[in-house]
Amino acid sequence: KQEVTQIPAALSVPEGENLVLNCSFTDSAIYNLQWFRQDPGKGLTSLLLIQSSQREQTSGRLNASLDKSSGRSTLYIAASQPGDSATYLCAVRAQGGSEKLVFGKGTKLTVNP
Amino acid sequence: DGGITQSPKYLFRKEGQNVTLSCEQNLNHDAMYWYRQDPGQGLRLIYYSQIVNDFQKGDIAEGYSVSREKKESFPLTVTSAQKNPTAFYLCASRDRPHTDTQYFGPGTRLTVL
Repeated sequence: KQEVTQIPAALSVPEGENLVLNCSFTDSAIYNLQWFRQDPGKGLTSLLLIQSSQREQTSGRLNASLDKSSGRSTLYIAASQPGDSATYLCAVRAQGGSEKLVFGKGTKLTVNP
Repeated sequence: DGGITQSPKYLFRKEGQNVTLSCEQNLNHDAMYWYRQDPGQGLRLIYYSQIVNDFQKGDIAEGYSVSREKKESFPLTVTSAQKNPTAFYLCASRDRPHTDTQYFGPGTRLTVL
């Protein structure tokens, strides 16, 4: 059974700092991995999607990497801003055409001005 | 203005009552999903539908029912058989098979009194 773990559960940094959020998964037979952002009491916003054949994806100040063999992904946020404060979730989709996403519990990020 | 809408935003239910949560999308997506989110937990899949008039159970379907009579609508009924229904419910859709990205609605918070 696929399990997704995100460490740390919470992170507080000063504005301007570069930071890394971690996601690990137990079964390397994944189809893709997605990073989402969730603001309090809101739905999820997709940030980046990495296919299993890819090593990384970039969007603006965000860079996500994937090491499928070791079961790890990282989300790098450059020059963090207070507006980046949110909970970041990663989710994996299994190979074989499964429709199911398995989510981690998230990392709550606070960027202090 | 395309997107996914969920209503109501907040819902209160007495024990023993069935309630229906609405999810509508005007994105012309084939696939739709219902997730449940509990505090400190990852999202868990309740039901999904890949096409009109078809739906499949997710990991925690007991006590829930769905219908998919129209492409744009995927309502979720929380029945009295669901023992612990208080949670945040999220609906999502995907432009299957063209993209793997899931787009989420704003959520409905259900509280059982």
